Amino acid sequence: GAVVSQHPSRVICKSGTSVKIECRSLDFQATTMFWYRQFPKQSLMLMATSNEGSKATYEQGVEKDKFLINHASLTLSTLTVTSAHPEDSSFYICSANGATEETQYFGPGTRLLVL
Amino acid sequence: AQSVTQPDIHITVSEGASLELRCNYSYGATPYLFWYVQSPGQGLQLLLKYFSGDTLVQGIKGFEAEFKRSQSSFNLRKPSVHWSDAAEYFCAVGPGGGNKLTFGTGTQLKVEL
Repeated sequence: GAVVSQHPSRVICKSGTSVKIECRSLDFQATTMFWYRQFPKQSLMLMATSNEGSKATYEQGVEKDKFLINHASLTLSTLTVTSAHPEDSSFYICSANGATEETQYFGPGTRLLVL
Repeated sequence: AQSVTQPDIHITVSEGASLELRCNYSYGATPYLFWYVQSPGQGLQLLLKYFSGDTLVQGIKGFEAEFKRSQSSFNLRKPSVHWSDAAEYFCAVGPGGGNKLTFGTGTQLKVEL
């Protein structure tokens, strides 16, 4: 149980385009989902927290108009990187936990490369 | 503010040797503590967690961790390391209740055959 999936696993796009990453909880309802960014050989940096049906809470320094987060259902959150640039290239990981769940379960990550 | 320190950036052990990865935290209340493992290019897998009760917790893959409040530590141990344990290990702390976690910088484990 407690499986989280991400799609796509890797994506290459041209500079200026937008990319959408999906995060799904497969066997539980995720009231809260988190989006992280990880640079090579570094720890995870929390970007935002999203709760189903409400606006995401962004961490300081994260541009909410750049990284659009939607949590429209209890099993799906999406992160859209708008007008992507090479500096947005990174590994994006989502996590989720249920209403009574104290543990965050992580997705496998999405490797984004912006050319 | 909460913080997590993993003092060892890299650790190398021989296969079959014992392992201890250090984690120290700073937190104002009773913490919820986690250890996660990440293989290259993968997401994070939960190894174990501590919320309350017995301070020695058992996890998957033969790992265990001990919560020591007096030392603000939650060190991860394994009595005999296998080559497949080579990965990045992250310690994390949070308030529980589905709130955000604070991660340490990670410890890269290399296993020599």
